[in-house]
Amino acid sequence: AQSVTQLDSQVPVFEEAPVELRCNYSSSVSVYLFWYVQYPNQGLQLLLKYLSGSTLVKGINGFEAEFNKSQTSFHLRKPSVHISDTAEYFCAVSEVGRSQGNLIFGKGTKLSVKP
Amino acid sequence: GAGVSQSPSNKVTEKGKDVELRCDPISGHTALYWYRQSLGQGLEFLIYFQGNSAPDKSGLPSDRFSAERTGGSVSTLTIQRTQQEDSAVYLCASSLVVANTEAFFGQGTRLTVV
Repeated sequence: AQSVTQLDSQVPVFEEAPVELRCNYSSSVSVYLFWYVQYPNQGLQLLLKYLSGSTLVKGINGFEAEFNKSQTSFHLRKPSVHISDTAEYFCAVSEVGRSQGNLIFGKGTKLSVKP
Repeated sequence: GAGVSQSPSNKVTEKGKDVELRCDPISGHTALYWYRQSLGQGLEFLIYFQGNSAPDKSGLPSDRFSAERTGGSVSTLTIQRTQQEDSAVYLCASSLVVANTEAFFGQGTRLTVV
């Protein structure tokens, strides 16, 4: 079975500051890794995903994440955040070779960007 | 349609009543998923469909929950004899095929049981 831990439930940050949202996972099998964003009263939107290959993955809106197999982590980063990045971010895993829609999610991190 | 469509967007129901939640996937997507998002529980996988069949129903929380999909398209999630703990946002997602393709999410149905 897989599990996902997002260590910070809330992250406040000032506009134009860098941010890192932490994600660790546990799995006995190989996994795919995802970050989703949820804006208020909206569904989930895929930010980026790691399937294979380069461990540094670039996504939409200037976000990137790095897969670290030895630390079982997939932290999300952005060098300079905007007010519009205020949202809830979810890290998720799915089992390799199975559905990318059958996801195990972390409990989410609420990013609050202040002017 | 352009995206995954869910209806209604909001539903308030009395405890003990049955409710039906609808999901229209992206045209041509054969895989469809239901999730529940609730306070304290985060996002929980409920069930997924490959075509009209549901290989994995492991996430359905009780026998009051059921789902069907007809014609390989629209899906309905039914909750019978609703309880207050069923209050949550129910999210639907679809993908082109089951394996190795991105899932796209709808905006969800917010269910409130009073």
